[in-house]
Amino acid sequence: DAKTTQPNSMESNEEEPVHLPCNHSTISGTDYIHWYRQLPSQGPEYVIHGLTSNVNNRMASLAIAEDRKSSTLILHRATLRDAAVYYCILRENNQAGTALIFGKGTTLSVSS
Amino acid sequence: GAVVSQHPSWVICKSGTSVKIECRSLDFQATTMFWYRQFPKQSLMLMATSNEGSKATYEQGVEKDKFLINHASLTLSTLTVTSAHPEDSSFYICSAKGTGHGYTFGSGTRLTVV
Repeated sequence: DAKTTQPNSMESNEEEPVHLPCNHSTISGTDYIHWYRQLPSQGPEYVIHGLTSNVNNRMASLAIAEDRKSSTLILHRATLRDAAVYYCILRENNQAGTALIFGKGTTLSVSS
Repeated sequence: GAVVSQHPSWVICKSGTSVKIECRSLDFQATTMFWYRQFPKQSLMLMATSNEGSKATYEQGVEKDKFLINHASLTLSTLTVTSAHPEDSSFYICSAKGTGHGYTFGSGTRLTVV
């Protein structure tokens, strides 16, 4: 899997937007950008994924740079329940059946 | 959505005994299951990949005779930690992947070996 770089930690206040960056300068044209998050003492959960266009779902938005060398996960209104480790992972579509490989991720703290 | 049930949530066992952890896909057929372990303040480390009906493929450095993986059906995989020792204490997480489904993770099992 191509390498991603994320800040070790970020802090936010409740009900404020959070922008979690991910750099992936060596991304290939067929790599999808996936985001998972892991709440304390839980297994990871899927957040969002995209290829080229920005994506929105009920959990978050994914903004992908035009050159695809970086992306940003956007939580529009952080809640205390969003405190978690967020992982940005690159996957080729034909890698279905192979494991997700996790980096260190970004630990998001949310204060009330 | 796809659900993976992992049991037990936590277990304490004595050194030298064996512990079995179950991972079940409740509403889809998991053609492939993955096992990870996670030490405190660290990321998930892949231990092995198993396809239903086949022997598991272990990552380098993971002892296959110590961490026995069985994936006998499309909805159940088990990880048995044999002759557990305190250094095996960790958070073990399974993940299941089925055709047309993404990766779904269990809620994890915290193993403490005393």
